[in-house]
Amino acid sequence: QKEVEQDPGPLSVPEGAIVSLNCTYSNSAFQYFMWYRQYSRKGPELLMYTYSSGNKEDGRFTAQVDKSSKYISLFIRDSQPSDSATYLCAMLAQKLVFGQGTRLTINP
Amino acid sequence: DVKVTQSSRYLVKRTGEKVFLECVQDMDHENMFWYRQDPGLGLRLIYFSYDVKMKEKGDIPEGYSVSREKKERFSLILESASTNQTSMYLCASRGTGIAYEQYFGPGTRLTVT
Repeated sequence: QKEVEQDPGPLSVPEGAIVSLNCTYSNSAFQYFMWYRQYSRKGPELLMYTYSSGNKEDGRFTAQVDKSSKYISLFIRDSQPSDSATYLCAMLAQKLVFGQGTRLTINP
Repeated sequence: DVKVTQSSRYLVKRTGEKVFLECVQDMDHENMFWYRQDPGLGLRLIYFSYDVKMKEKGDIPEGYSVSREKKERFSLILESASTNQTSMYLCASRGTGIAYEQYFGPGTRLTVT
């Protein structure tokens, strides 16, 4: 079993839709939970991070962590074509472990 | 702004060739990393370095070596390239204190024929 599981998609939604991206994990030691965004032909860049459980909001983006269920989510409201990218979850205990990435396309 | 640069965006090499991938960061970060990224497998850590001349194996070090002679530069070496090393290679750097905030370079797409 992989430490971090992420549905690779691809996911295609119309502009303006609410997008939900999810990861599950097995290691209870993870304390930091991150979302990276990777545009085509670019390296990943940190989008949001959360420490331990709870929610964090940044503009149209909301990150949620449920440690009891070992489940994290990223919600994108009012999605835009510029949000089209691959989204990777990542989690940190002793080292940073990445999910497989979900390829998201927002259609105008 | 942190900048991580990689020497090549695209590289095509033949089986058996020795390949050097170079990475340079300009933020005086102690930690540097090499990953490979493959569809369905995500990012997998090859090697990392927490100081000059120091290196640690990651999850998939077989077939690779690294060199860190200067703080800003971290090189990945494929001693004898094979077709299963065709991949996207990503370099990253991170300072001390904020363990999660890694900065990535743009990647090198390596094709071994």
